[in-house]
Amino acid sequence: AQSVTQLGSHVSVSEGALVLLRCNYSSSVPPYLFWYVQYPNQGLQLLLKYTSAATLVKGINGFEAEFKKSETSFHLTKPSAHMSDAAEYFCAVSVETSGSRLTFGEGTQLTVNP
Amino acid sequence: DTGVSQNPRHKITKRGQNVTFRCDPISEHNRLYWYRQTLGQGPEFLTYFQNEAQLEKSRLLSDRFSAERPKGSFSTLEIQRTEQGDSAMYLCASSVGRHFQETQYFGPGTRLLVL
Repeated sequence: AQSVTQLGSHVSVSEGALVLLRCNYSSSVPPYLFWYVQYPNQGLQLLLKYTSAATLVKGINGFEAEFKKSETSFHLTKPSAHMSDAAEYFCAVSVETSGSRLTFGEGTQLTVNP
Repeated sequence: DTGVSQNPRHKITKRGQNVTFRCDPISEHNRLYWYRQTLGQGPEFLTYFQNEAQLEKSRLLSDRFSAERPKGSFSTLEIQRTEQGDSAMYLCASSVGRHFQETQYFGPGTRLLVL
């Protein structure tokens, strides 16, 4: 079965600093990988996804992620944090052998300090 | 698109009562998903519909839970004889497009509190 591990349940950065949120996956078949963001009392919004095309994926709000098969990673980065980036971020995986479900990590709460 | 809508947004009930939640997907989306999210955790898959057919159910979906999607449009999730452990956010998502790679669009969720 596939799984996702997000290293660091809480990450704190200063406004303008680099954002790095870590995600490692486990899958015996090629994965499709997603990053979602959740603001308080709201549903999840897709930031970006990897679907086996380009390994460097650009998403909304200046975020990007790189799929590294050798490291089984899909870390999320943003060069310069903004106060509005404060939210919870979830990495998720989908594989063709386990139906249509998304399997999510436990999430990383991002705090941006002024 | 008006987005995925869910009703009610909040529900407080007493243990043992039945509750029903509704999800209206984005029009033309043929796939609909239910997830459950507890505090501090990521969403967990419950069940999935393609049109009106329920194609997958998680082991999390005990026999107290039932979901329907009549006519392939809106969906309902019913929990019978609620327990305190059912307290969670219930999220609905819909999608269309290339299977396994499509974006799932999430609703705002229904937060359930069982007293």
